[in-house]
Amino acid sequence: QVQLMQSGAEGKEPGASVKVSCKASGYTFTNYGISWVRQAPGQGLEWMGWISPLNGNTNYPQKFQGRVTMTTDTSTSTVYMELRSLKSDDTAVYYCARDNWNSFDPWGQGTLVTVSS
Amino acid sequence: QSALTQPPSASGSPGQSVAISCTGTSGDVGTYDYVSWYQHHPGKAPKLMIYEVNKRPSGVPDRFSGSKSGNTASLTVSGLQAEDEADYYCSSYAGSAYFIVFGGGTKLTVL
Repeated sequence: QVQLMQSGAEGKEPGASVKVSCKASGYTFTNYGISWVRQAPGQGLEWMGWISPLNGNTNYPQKFQGRVTMTTDTSTSTVYMELRSLKSDDTAVYYCARDNWNSFDPWGQGTLVTVSS
Repeated sequence: QSALTQPPSASGSPGQSVAISCTGTSGDVGTYDYVSWYQHHPGKAPKLMIYEVNKRPSGVPDRFSGSKSGNTASLTVSGLQAEDEADYYCSSYAGSAYFIVFGGGTKLTVL
């Protein structure tokens, strides 16, 4: 079945970077984009951007431009999301999701990133 | 502040129907038929329930339906069941400047 498996929880200090992985299985990896969405504690969902595993094209909303980089490794069907210059309000659960024409299905299990000194 | 506006809460008794609204603008919901709805049980991954306004993915019960009028989309859950209690989020494509925007979420309580 289609599945996205994410890397484990991370604890980082302010100013550091974090890189979260998302390994896809059960479908042709290059046929679908991958989006990243986060949820801060007590908050709603926030879209962070999209990458095409076919050609590496990315789209980032203005809020994250310059601070986020999404990459893909087709040899392992894995997508990576790196967020730099972490702040305390980056503490959130980060999800990857298969993007099918602007709807997300399925989602990874989520990765908790805690930013604290 | 979320780009799409949802009521923070909704409720209904088992067997009843409840509708959750999602209000955007002419720059997102009003223009594009790329409105999706997600069910999110705390601690689990969100689940796609409706895509492209009113289409259901395989496996989603037909008790869940979606619609849109103008700048407002709606998710209707009919025949409420206890397992429907969850947070529900809408999202919409918002063009090449903003791409995807989400609502703030609605907590659905089955009384």
